[in-house]
Amino acid sequence: DAGVTQSPTHLIKTRGQQVTLRCSPKSGHDTVSWYQQALGQGPQFIFQYYEEEERQRGNFPDRFSGHQFPNYSSELNVNALLLGDSALYLCASSSINRGKDGYTFGSGTRLTVV
Amino acid sequence: KQEVTQIPAALSVPEGENLVLNCSFTDSAIYNLQWFRQDPGKGLTSLLLIQSSQREQTSGRLNASLDKSSGRSTLYIAASQPGDSATYLCAVSGGTASKLTFGTGTRLQVTL
Repeated sequence: DAGVTQSPTHLIKTRGQQVTLRCSPKSGHDTVSWYQQALGQGPQFIFQYYEEEERQRGNFPDRFSGHQFPNYSSELNVNALLLGDSALYLCASSSINRGKDGYTFGSGTRLTVV
Repeated sequence: KQEVTQIPAALSVPEGENLVLNCSFTDSAIYNLQWFRQDPGKGLTSLLLIQSSQREQTSGRLNASLDKSSGRSTLYIAASQPGDSATYLCAVSGGTASKLTFGTGTRLQVTL
């Protein structure tokens, strides 16, 4: 049973560019959440998608946007990259009807902005 | 606004010791609490999840307790091993499939 799959694993981008990160949730999960983790910090919630709509959003600017597809997979897009966007981006999946089972996380995408 | 604090920030112990990691949260109206392990540069591995109605959960050498009224959780690791070296993160959720609020973690090193 595949867990949460994220791609790519590493990415280097230049300031001002745009980036797209991808996530496939664990089988049986229908909700995808994205987190940003700066070095030495705990993950910070970006947003969550369910039924192809943004369900919740954290305190991140509009440069951060996302999408969920009918197969529950998701993309995170970041426009106009800043040096401060360099971080580990984590995707987590869960089931809206089995919230008591908690979240499953992927291995993350390491984004470096130069 | 929920805030989660983990103490200590770092911990170094010799192999075989029992140890306790602490997590506190400011809003007791949580749905569940989840402990994760993170190896350097890697994703999060779920260790234990405690529902708000539960007091503790156990998995192998790990035991997590929850005192919702006081806003505290502890993760107890018995007979620590070098392979336990990692960062341990505590996170709380305010509702079913609601966002997780994380602490900054405790970095554990178990020495030979």
